[in-house]
Amino acid sequence: KAGVTQTPRYLIKTRGQQVTLSCSPISGHRSVSWYQQTPGQGLQFLFEYFSETQRNKGNFPGRFSGRQFSNSRSEMNVSTLELGDSALYLCASSSGNVGQDTQYFGPGTRLTVL
Amino acid sequence: QKEVEQDPGPLSVPEGAIVSLNCTYSNSAFQYFMWYRQYSRKGPELLMYTYSSGNKEDGRFTAQVDKSSKYISLFIRDSQPSDSATYLCAMSPLWGGAQKLVFGQGTRLTINP
Repeated sequence: KAGVTQTPRYLIKTRGQQVTLSCSPISGHRSVSWYQQTPGQGLQFLFEYFSETQRNKGNFPGRFSGRQFSNSRSEMNVSTLELGDSALYLCASSSGNVGQDTQYFGPGTRLTVL
Repeated sequence: QKEVEQDPGPLSVPEGAIVSLNCTYSNSAFQYFMWYRQYSRKGPELLMYTYSSGNKEDGRFTAQVDKSSKYISLFIRDSQPSDSATYLCAMSPLWGGAQKLVFGQGTRLTINP
């Protein structure tokens, strides 16, 4: 079974630009969660999508948005990039059902904002 | 104050030592407690999870949860160089569903041969 894939793996952008990151979950998984990982703040929850609907949201500004497609693939968009957005962005997939439900993480996209 | 506190280390121990990793938390709604391991340039992988208070053992790994003290631990026995990684505790009031994991900072562990 293929794992969670994220593209691209590395990205360099400049302040003010926007960026779109992609996540393909494990086949059959309907939930995709996004996290930001930085040395200072650690791993922080951004949002979770299930069946194309955002079910849960963390405390990030509106510049961070996402969506999920009918095949469960998800994209995350960050507009008007700031230097502080430099981070490893991780997505995790799971079945999304209540009960035994492990989140499987992808390798992440390393975003550098110059 | 963060909801979950974890000493970031780094922690360096000799091969074969017993390693103790800990987290404290403030949100009494947390019911599910997880330990993830993250190797360099990789995403976190789930090591163990426990529900509510108690102990759980899996091979060389033991997870303990003390809800009365809001304190969780991960013990690694007979540590190996391959255990060198960052260990993250994570917690949630739910298991599955609209789950939102709250992570500790992560402890960077090095096992020296």
